[in-house]
Amino acid sequence: TQLLEQSPQFLSIQEGENLTVYCNSSSVFSSLQWYRQEPGEGPVLLVTVVTGGEVKKLKRLTFQFGDARKDSSLHITAAQPGDTGLYLCAGDRAGTYKYIFGTGTRLKVLA
Amino acid sequence: ETGVTQTPRHLVMGMTNKKSLKCEQHLGHNAMYWYKQSAKKPLELMFVYSLEERVENNSVPSRFSPECPNSSHLFLHLHTLQPEDSALYLCASSLRLAGSVKPDTQYFGPGTRLTVL
Repeated sequence: TQLLEQSPQFLSIQEGENLTVYCNSSSVFSSLQWYRQEPGEGPVLLVTVVTGGEVKKLKRLTFQFGDARKDSSLHITAAQPGDTGLYLCAGDRAGTYKYIFGTGTRLKVLA
Repeated sequence: ETGVTQTPRHLVMGMTNKKSLKCEQHLGHNAMYWYKQSAKKPLELMFVYSLEERVENNSVPSRFSPECPNSSHLFLHLHTLQPEDSALYLCASSLRLAGSVKPDTQYFGPGTRLTVL
């Protein structure tokens, strides 16, 4: 059972466009992380959100944690080719020893 | 700089070989993790260690054998692997174990690309 579903799975857009990636679950998470991963490399942490309704901004990236802490979104404004990569969400739940990873969203930004 | 290093970065081995992957974290973290990432599949958790004690073995075949001699080092010993074990193997660490009362974050190493012939 996949506890974290990401959508869309693939996204190809032109430079300058905006996009939103979603991470959804029926489970409550204590915290949720977003990572970006480039081919052949490990995931690099972008942000951690811990409070329901929390919004964090990282330059052109805006992250939101759902009020019920079951879902999250990543919005990119004016996408650039350097944003290309695999975006992963991950969450942890109290009482478990593992982080649950989403299915991933592969983004390609064309110049 | 994530503070988590992995060696080697690339490894090609035959099915009868024995090899080891090494992970080292310089972050003072107490928990370390091994993941397998195959093409078109979500990250698969393999093992979890907390203060050198294994707390999770996610139904991993015995041909993968982890070792955590101290909280900074983690090894994955490989023996008699199959071609389907070819993947990117990722190590990660966190200050506290996942699921702790206080939320925490994992930091990943660059991974070892393993090819089994």
